[in-house]
Amino acid sequence: ETGVTQTPRHLVMGMTNKKSLKCEQHLGHNAMYWYKQSAKKPLELMFVYNFKEQTENNSVPSRFSPECPNSSHLFLHLHTLQPEDSALYLCASSQETRTTNTQYFGPGTRLTVL
Amino acid sequence: AQSVTQLDSQVPVFEEAPVELRCNYSSSVSVYLFWYVQYPNQGLQLLLKYLSGSTLVKGINGFEAEFNKSQTSFHLRKPSVHISDTAEYFCAVSDDSNYQLIWGAGTKLIIKP
Repeated sequence: ETGVTQTPRHLVMGMTNKKSLKCEQHLGHNAMYWYKQSAKKPLELMFVYNFKEQTENNSVPSRFSPECPNSSHLFLHLHTLQPEDSALYLCASSQETRTTNTQYFGPGTRLTVL
Repeated sequence: AQSVTQLDSQVPVFEEAPVELRCNYSSSVSVYLFWYVQYPNQGLQLLLKYLSGSTLVKGINGFEAEFNKSQTSFHLRKPSVHISDTAEYFCAVSDDSNYQLIWGAGTKLIIKP
């Protein structure tokens, strides 16, 4: 498989559930990102990892917990979410976190919180 | 701080007509500019980017964009659109002070047959 893959593609969860989103990149990149995409709003950067080290946490609530066990895999652990957390969650990767590097995106996980 | 404005949330255009999607950014310092496209039910894909050099940048699928420093704009154009161009288009900017991409809210391109 090539590029950036995300699983699951769709997820419905209650506010008391715990679930995880998975991202895998097959591009040999060293940087990985989580974004939140809500309708009619700019993409919101949530977390950044560069060489497995977290370099950014853009004031994301603690109910979102990232994990990057190696440069190819990125997880987003979810617990006690709120309905306003419903959105498309996109994973991306790039060679490293340099300004000019192109980011490659996965297809996203459509999350619905009931 | 940088900001990006995409002036139109939706642009309807007839098939085979030309289209321009507008993007303005806030800062006049050295910037790097990107256009990404998101087809329905897919992630974002890079269309083109401006890093330096020629202000006219050509991308995939017949799209091009022109960097205009004095007007802080980076508008995307295509001379003749096809039904397959139906998608949402995002403009993004970064600079040397912060590698993070700052995104616009997107413009939906709607192709009318």
